Amino acid sequence: AQSVTQLGSHVSVSEGALVLLRCNYSSSVPPYLFWYVQYPNQGLQLLLKYTTGATLVKGINGFEAEFKKSETSFHLTKPSAHMSDAAEYFCAVSAGSSNTGKLIFGQGTTLQVKP
Amino acid sequence: DTAVSQTPKYLVTQMGNDKSIKCEQNLGHDTMYWYKQDSKKFLKIMFSYNNKELIINETVPNRFSPKSPDKAHLNLHINSLELGDSAVYFCASSQVGRSGRASGEQFFGPGTRLTVL
Repeated sequence: AQSVTQLGSHVSVSEGALVLLRCNYSSSVPPYLFWYVQYPNQGLQLLLKYTTGATLVKGINGFEAEFKKSETSFHLTKPSAHMSDAAEYFCAVSAGSSNTGKLIFGQGTTLQVKP
Repeated sequence: DTAVSQTPKYLVTQMGNDKSIKCEQNLGHDTMYWYKQDSKKFLKIMFSYNNKELIINETVPNRFSPKSPDKAHLNLHINSLELGDSAVYFCASSQVGRSGRASGEQFFGPGTRLTVL
């Protein structure tokens, strides 16, 4: 069975500082991994995804994440936080069942950006 | 054009009532989903339909019944609403294809905030 753990339900950074949001996963099959962002009162939007190939993936808005199989991690980073990055971030893993497309989401991390 | 749309955006109702939420996607995807987001923002899948066929049915009370009249629509009907049903419900769609895994992006609707009084 698949599962996702996001370490830290709330992360606060200063504008211009490094953003690091942690995600660890458990999967019995090679995982497909995703980061989604949810702005207040909106639906989720895909930031980036890892399926196969290059383990460092780049996404929208300057975010990137690195798949580390040995650490079962997929941490999200951004070199310099912007006020507009304040939102809820969700890490997700694709379940291994056939013909479902099911995603398992982590608990979410609220990113606060201070001026 | 809106990719995944939901109506209504807000729904306030009394306990015991029956209500429906509608979802439509114009992306040509073969799979649609309903998620429930609770007050702690935890997202959990409820149902999924692939080409109008129910493929995911999580442990959801029988009071919840999804209906997919065609590939582009997945509606959610809730009978005998309870206080605990208050949440934000998200519809999503994706193209799963033959691989059966969500290798592609899931596109989410704006959500329907349901409040049961």
